[in-house]
Amino acid sequence: DIQMTQSPSSLSASVGDRVTITCRASQGISKYLAWFQQKPGKAPKSLIYATSGLLYGVPARFSGSGSGAEFTLTISSLQPEDFATYYCQQYHSYPFTFGPGTKVDLK
Amino acid sequence: EVQMLESGGDLVQPGGSLRLSCGASGFSISSYAMSWVRQAPGKGLEWVSGISDTGQSTYYADSVKGRFTISRDNSKNTVYLRMDSLRADDTAVYYCAQDRIFLRGQGTLVTVSS
Repeated sequence: DIQMTQSPSSLSASVGDRVTITCRASQGISKYLAWFQQKPGKAPKSLIYATSGLLYGVPARFSGSGSGAEFTLTISSLQPEDFATYYCQQYHSYPFTFGPGTKVDLK
Repeated sequence: EVQMLESGGDLVQPGGSLRLSCGASGFSISSYAMSWVRQAPGKGLEWVSGISDTGQSTYYADSVKGRFTISRDNSKNTVYLRMDSLRADDTAVYYCAQDRIFLRGQGTLVTVSS
């Protein structure tokens, strides 16, 4: 099975900061990497598919990049509504696997 | 508008069974592979099971293999998850995903407890 790791596990940031979260796969997964956002008490929300594709309605301050086994989610200018936990997921091969999550909170 | 509605969650005793449903609207599931994902209280997301667009191929996490069965009825635009031999660690909110990864519903809560 492909193992997914994320770093950092948590970070504190201020509104307006640029935030980068890294996701690594235990083997190459081509472009098959998705990102999710989850706010406390809410269902997770899909943000990005195929490494860099933004879902309709996702603000352009979110971007994804990477290839092979290392990927990043970047929030160019953190907004109050972006404080949440972010998960990556590989869908290159079954069983699909998630990273453990990165919690972004207010500094 | 694309929507997915998970249902069927309940309180069930250990060893019991349950069937979850995921009804889709705004798109035809027949064009997509589908998945189930869960989240135990206070924990991260866990992929549970997947099914190909035709239903011919199914996939499971090791934690549910042999106990859970995924199926689909494209004519009803619905995906199912049959859960048998339920254990306390199956307690979670269950979500279904369009095209393997697109989460669009609010989930359904399964609680396994005596």
